[in-house]
Amino acid sequence: KAGVTQTPRYLIKTRGQQVTLSCSPISGHRSVSWYQQTPGQGLQFLFEYFSETQRNKGNFPGRFSGRQFSNSRSEMNVSTLELGDSALYLCASSVDSSSTDTQYFGPGTRLTVL
Amino acid sequence: GNSVTQMEGPVTLSEEAFLTINCTYTATGYPSLFWYVQYPGEGLQLLLKATKADDKGSNKGFEATYRKETTSFHLEKGSVQVSDSAVYFCALSDSGGSNYKLTFGKGTLLTVNP
Repeated sequence: KAGVTQTPRYLIKTRGQQVTLSCSPISGHRSVSWYQQTPGQGLQFLFEYFSETQRNKGNFPGRFSGRQFSNSRSEMNVSTLELGDSALYLCASSVDSSSTDTQYFGPGTRLTVL
Repeated sequence: GNSVTQMEGPVTLSEEAFLTINCTYTATGYPSLFWYVQYPGEGLQLLLKATKADDKGSNKGFEATYRKETTSFHLEKGSVQVSDSAVYFCALSDSGGSNYKLTFGKGTLLTVNP
């Protein structure tokens, strides 16, 4: 079974631009979560989608948004990019939306904002 | 709120040495506990997990026991190898309502020298 895939793997943008990142979950997984990883803040939860509905959102500004499609694929969008948005963005999928489920992570998208 | 505290390291060991990485947590409900590992340039891989008190998770020679009385989930390995060099993250997923997300510790960098 193929793992979680994320595209693109690397992105370079300038301040003020917007960006869209894509995530394809493991086949059969219905829950997709997004995390931001930075050296200073570590791993922080962005949001979680289950069956096309956002079920949970982390403490990030409204510039960060996402969506999930009927095939469980997910995208996240960051508008009006800031230097501080430079990070590794990780997507994770799980079968269901239960605390005992294992979240499987993709390789991440490395975003650099200049 | 939920939180995870783990020793940040870095930890440097010689091959075949014993490894312990401490992890303690604070949670409002009955969390599941996880250890993830991240190799350079990659996403997170699940190392092991435990979903209830006194459970022991194990994988690839690593072990951790869910201790509710001490709110701990320390990672141990009897004999480390150079290939174990990576960053290790302790995480919890709370069972409370729809609050399905992983809360991570800051990570511990492990370097194993031959």
